[in-house]
Amino acid sequence: EVQLVESGGGLVQPGGSLRLSCAASGFSLRSYAMHWVRQAPGKGLECVSAISGDGGTTSYASSVKGRFTISRDNSKNMLYLQMGSLRPGDMAVYFCARDGLQGGLDYWGQGILVPVSS
Amino acid sequence: QSVLTQPPSASGTPGQRVTISCSGSSSNIGINFVFWYQQLPGTAPKLLMYRNNQRPSGVPDRFSGSKSGTSASLAVSGLRSEDEADYYCAAWDDRLSIWLFGGGTKLTVL
Repeated sequence: EVQLVESGGGLVQPGGSLRLSCAASGFSLRSYAMHWVRQAPGKGLECVSAISGDGGTTSYASSVKGRFTISRDNSKNMLYLQMGSLRPGDMAVYFCARDGLQGGLDYWGQGILVPVSS
Repeated sequence: QSVLTQPPSASGTPGQRVTISCSGSSSNIGINFVFWYQQLPGTAPKLLMYRNNQRPSGVPDRFSGSKSGTSASLAVSGLRSEDEADYYCAAWDDRLSIWLFGGGTKLTVL
């Protein structure tokens, strides 16, 4: 069974840093591109970062470029999102999601809340 | 960040047919597949439609999708109370190299 489980969330002050992790199981992580998608309270979905299966290609939304870094460790079946210079507008539930072989995000984690507040 | 354009709300009575539109541009919907997600309150989004009009296993055939040019639509026929949810369209944007989502449409079953 495919599972994605996020961890690492927690209250952080503006300007602070946080690293989110996503543990993948039930499939070979290296075969899939992966994404981080966030949802601010009461708002829609925003894909903030993407990474290719081998980690060689990454992309970022303009809202987080230069502040967030996506990475992966295929040997550990782990996906990461290093977030820095956090702002109140970054407060959201962050989901990791798998880019399916047919396209589209076919599996999602349960999401993890990142509150940003002083 | 650019988003795809959806109506914020849609509604219908049980048994009716409802359509949700999604408008994009030449760098996303115009050249790539469209996907639709259903999100029930407090849960992660679920892939509802892939490659414009393909249903994943388990999605009822009451749901259908289409695409024309830089626009797409999701139709729900035989509306049921359990269809009440938020629906998002999405497409890969070749210029930004990232998934773009619509703002979401809240479907209410009256």
